[in-house]
Amino acid sequence: QKEVEQNSGPLSVPEGAIASLNCTYSDRGSQSFFWYRQYSGKSPELIMFIYSNGDKEDGRFTAQLNKASQYVSLLIRDSQPSDSATYLCAVTGNNDMRFGAGTRLTVKP
Amino acid sequence: GAVVSQHPSWVICKSGTSVKIECRSLDFQATTMFWYRQFPKQSLMLMATSNEGSKATYEQGVEKDKFLINHASLTLSTLTVTSAHPEDSSFYICSLPGGGSSYNEQFFGPGTRLTVL
Repeated sequence: QKEVEQNSGPLSVPEGAIASLNCTYSDRGSQSFFWYRQYSGKSPELIMFIYSNGDKEDGRFTAQLNKASQYVSLLIRDSQPSDSATYLCAVTGNNDMRFGAGTRLTVKP
Repeated sequence: GAVVSQHPSWVICKSGTSVKIECRSLDFQATTMFWYRQFPKQSLMLMATSNEGSKATYEQGVEKDKFLINHASLTLSTLTVTSAHPEDSSFYICSLPGGGSSYNEQFFGPGTRLTVL
C-alpha cells in the first residue's frame, strides 16, 4: 500500500466548475497535510495546508481533512484554465514529507 | 516563504561524467535541506536530507557514493551525481523546511533538469 494515494486522473472539468481532488494516506500518525500545484517542467508551489479536521478555505480553494478516514481533499471553485496542472498531496509525520503521485487536472475553456 | 535557488536549471552531460547541482537559500539560514528526484509523470521521491556540518541522511535505495551531498554552509547544499548514466536523467529539486518547526511546509527550488546522453 502506498503511503499517500491519489487518483492519477486526468481529471477534466469545464471552466467555472468545481474541481474535486482526493487523497488518502496510510500513516495514522500524520500531522500536516499539504496541497501543491506543479506545472509541467516546474517545481511544486504550495497552495495551502491543513492541520485540523474540517475545512479550510483560501480564496477559491478549500482543503478538507478527515483524520478518522485518513482522507484529505482539495476543492477548486470557479475553475480556470490556468488551474490546469498536476496537484500533489503531501503528508508530514515526525520526520519527513511524503508525496502522492499527483492528479492531473485539465480545465477546459 | 523561503526563497530557494538552484543552479544550473538544466544540464546535459555525457555518460560517465559527474554533475554538480547547487541549492541555495537566499533569505535565511538552513540547517536542513532536502533533495528530491522526479521522473516524468511520477511524484517527487525524497533522495536524502542534507544536514549542515554533518553527513547527509539517505533514503533507502539511494546510493550515497553515487549521489554525493555536501552541506558546507547554512545557505548552500550541493548534490553531485557521480558517473552519471542515462537512467539518472531526471528532474532534481531541493527544498527547505519552513514554519516554526521542522518538517512543516517545504519551499522548493526551481529544479534542475539533468539529461545524461
